[in-house]
Amino acid sequence: DVKVTQSSRYLVKRTGEKVFLECVQDMDHENMFWYRQDPGLGLRLIYFSYDVKMKEKGDIPEGYSVSREKKERFSLILESASTNQTSMYLCATSPGQARGAFFGQGTRLTVV
Amino acid sequence: QKEVEQNSGPLSVPEGAIASLNCTYSDRVSQSFFWYRQYSGKSPELIMSIYSNGDKEDGRFTAQLNKASQYVSLLIRDSQPSDSATYLCAVNLPYNNNDMRFGAGTRLTVKP
Repeated sequence: DVKVTQSSRYLVKRTGEKVFLECVQDMDHENMFWYRQDPGLGLRLIYFSYDVKMKEKGDIPEGYSVSREKKERFSLILESASTNQTSMYLCATSPGQARGAFFGQGTRLTVV
Repeated sequence: QKEVEQNSGPLSVPEGAIASLNCTYSDRVSQSFFWYRQYSGKSPELIMSIYSNGDKEDGRFTAQLNKASQYVSLLIRDSQPSDSATYLCAVNLPYNNNDMRFGAGTRLTVKP
């Protein structure tokens, strides 16, 4: 089974803090994704990576950055957390070649 | 225009009925389509994939694809209360390093 592990299930941070969300996969998948999910808005893509050190912006990259130094790990960074970044953050991986994506358990981030 | 559009619902069907979930996509280049099920408080899980025009059946689930109309649907036969969840349609974008985009999801309730 594919195992995608996100570093935290729940996180509370203060406005202005730099926040790191980590995602690790054990299946040697090429692609890794960060989405945020908000009621009524579905899953919105923040960034994805198709190889080590390679990244592409999604629909809502503003206020976020990412890092992929090793194939198995993809980090999402909130440079200066704001209350409108309170959300559920979901990491996903995919072997590419149109075989679907597999999700981690999600991180519910609250910025106060 | 969003890459993937779904009726947000909610959709309510009685137990034993057929539930029909619909999705349209904007990019004619897309070749791979997926349905995910997401229970409340959980991450999405992949339940169906379809790549060719026509129907694909897996147990009580049937995915239908019509590329000319850019339309994907999911039928759930003999609906059960345990099918109550949000169903997300997803599209792979092969020209963009296998980017994956999701619709907003349709909430399905199956009433006993």
